[in-house]
Amino acid sequence: EIVLTQSPGTLSLSPGERATLSCRASQSVNSSSLAWYQEKPGQSSRLLIYGASNRATGIPDRFSGSGSGTDFTLTISRLEPEDFAVYYCQQYGSSPWTFGQGTKVDVK
Amino acid sequence: QVQLLESGPGLVKTSETLSLTCTVSGGSISPYYWSWIRRLPGKGLEWIGYIYYSGTTNYNPSLKSRVTISVDTSKNHFSLTVTSVTAADTAIYYCARGKTTWTVWGQGTLVTVSS
Repeated sequence: EIVLTQSPGTLSLSPGERATLSCRASQSVNSSSLAWYQEKPGQSSRLLIYGASNRATGIPDRFSGSGSGTDFTLTISRLEPEDFAVYYCQQYGSSPWTFGQGTKVDVK
Repeated sequence: QVQLLESGPGLVKTSETLSLTCTVSGGSISPYYWSWIRRLPGKGLEWIGYIYYSGTTNYNPSLKSRVTISVDTSKNHFSLTVTSVTAADTAIYYCARGKTTWTVWGQGTLVTVSS
């Protein structure tokens, strides 16, 4: 199965700053079948990006995804207060679908 | 808007069967795919499997021998059973809508396996 490794584990930033999150796969992800989710305490997970770079419905354009093969990136162009959360990548190019361990974005 | 609610026992004894139900409200269970995912303590998220409203299923090979997902369209819910549970099955179990990515998630339910 494909192992996804996210870095860094924690990213400490201030509102308004740019966040760059990395997700590296142990083997190439077919057809850029990579998604990103946001998770906040007490809330359901929220799909942000699918197909490596497509924003899900209702996701603000400050969120963007890029990458292919084994290296993927989620960028939040300017952090808003509500963006401080945990972010997970997930691949669905090869069964079983697998997740990264998460990156926590917290307030510096 | 569609909401999902997991229900079932919070404590299951070792070697017994874990059974959970996900009730879909605010929308129909058809014509969608529905999944179960769990969060293992210290190990992150694990995809368990999915079911189509018509009954077609696909499971994670690591769990396939112990897992069954079923659907009841008349009750607008789907279910998960895991047999022969051990402490390693202690997790927060989530139901979600989708096959490969998930746009709607339940809040999750904690299941503890203990003797």
